[in-house]
Amino acid sequence: DAGVTQTPRHEVAEKGQTIILKCEPVSGHNDLFWYRQTKIQGLELLSYFRSKSLMEDGGAFKDRFKAEMLNSSFSTLKIQPTEPKDSAVYLCASSLRWGGSAETLYFGSGTRLTVL
Amino acid sequence: AQSVTQPDARVTVSEGASLQLRCKYSYFGTPYLFWYVQYPRQGLQLLLKYYPGDPVVQGVNGFEAEFSKSNSSFHLRKASVHWSDWAVYFCAVMNYGSSGNKLIFGIGTLLSVKP
Repeated sequence: DAGVTQTPRHEVAEKGQTIILKCEPVSGHNDLFWYRQTKIQGLELLSYFRSKSLMEDGGAFKDRFKAEMLNSSFSTLKIQPTEPKDSAVYLCASSLRWGGSAETLYFGSGTRLTVL
Repeated sequence: AQSVTQPDARVTVSEGASLQLRCKYSYFGTPYLFWYVQYPRQGLQLLLKYYPGDPVVQGVNGFEAEFSKSNSSFHLRKASVHWSDWAVYFCAVMNYGSSGNKLIFGIGTLLSVKP
């Protein structure tokens, strides 16, 4: 089975631009998560979907960050407008809700975003 | 509030030496705990997970962790470190709530291995 696929691997944006990050979860997984990873803050949860329903919309990240699940096998994270402080690695993860491997998160390799 | 603390930002050990990475948790009730590893330029991968039962949990690649309720700890151990273990290690606790189940991660510990 293919793992979690994230594209692009790297993204460079000018301040104020709109960028869209993409994620394909493991086939058959019910839950999908978007995290932001920085050295200072570690892993911060941005969004959480359960069977395509938005369960967590990121609290402090709500104003410029919007995640969507267009179908069960594709999700996007839009940042609009970008700011230099958004420079980070964005990780997508998926998991099963039931079964032996339930609650184990499978992560993609991430998208490294640099905002100039 | 539920949280995880990894007090050591970086740990350096010699290849072949033993290893302990520390993790302290704060959780009301019985926690479900995890250790993940992140190799350079990759996503996180599960090393092991603890569900209530035997306090010592075996994971992949010779890693194990021990749960202690009295110390609120879930330290990761390995008897003999290999250079390929050079990575960042994250401890996490599962937060169960009405809005779904989410992992809360520690800040991570970078393990460096000396030849």
